[in-house]
Amino acid sequence: DTGVSQDPRHKITKRGQNVTFRCDPISEHNRLYWYRQTLGQGPEFLTYFQNEAQLEKSRLLSDRFSAERPKGSFSTLEIQRTEQGDSAMYLCASSFFRTSGSTDTQYFGPGTRLTVL
Amino acid sequence: TQLLEQSPQFLSIQEGENLTVYCNSSSVFSSLQWYRQEPGEGPVLLVTVVTGGEVKKLKRLTFQFGDARKDSSLHITAAQPGDTGLYLCAGVVNSGGSNYKLTFGKGTLLTVNP
Repeated sequence: DTGVSQDPRHKITKRGQNVTFRCDPISEHNRLYWYRQTLGQGPEFLTYFQNEAQLEKSRLLSDRFSAERPKGSFSTLEIQRTEQGDSAMYLCASSFFRTSGSTDTQYFGPGTRLTVL
Repeated sequence: TQLLEQSPQFLSIQEGENLTVYCNSSSVFSSLQWYRQEPGEGPVLLVTVVTGGEVKKLKRLTFQFGDARKDSSLHITAAQPGDTGLYLCAGVVNSGGSNYKLTFGKGTLLTVNP
């Protein structure tokens, strides 16, 4: 299967700890997005990369959050000093973006469920 | 501020019934995507619609994009228990930049009872 993969699928941590999630996009997809989904809500945009460049960050992404995509392939999302409010499903999506004005169909991974105690 | 309103929020029906779920906004979208999500999993893409008035069919599912590209509907014919899930619509508001981030509705949680 060559879909988007995420690791770990589940993470339980104590408040104040740091956590890191990994996303492996579909091969040759140049765009990678991170979203967060809380219970009863649709996913909300956090940030996205085109190749290795991080082009936009949402206001939802506080200073405790950092994302990287060093070689333009996999990406990591780190949360420092976790808080209970960070508990959510963290979703990664990838796409192959050609030119402005075209569509950018995004394919999602299975997500990482974070629980902060 | 919820840019996309989905209705109904919950829907429980019997196998074999037809249903329609709606996705409405005051914003114009350059494209709109429908996803289905099961508990503990990521959203799975069903369809992308781009052109106002466009209708796409996927087996028993029919998707329509409004003429003004502000709304969309998903119609399921003869629903089956396997159709159970959270149906999410997501739009792209492209103001000429290069960010195609998706704005999601809250979803419609569909339960099809055997």
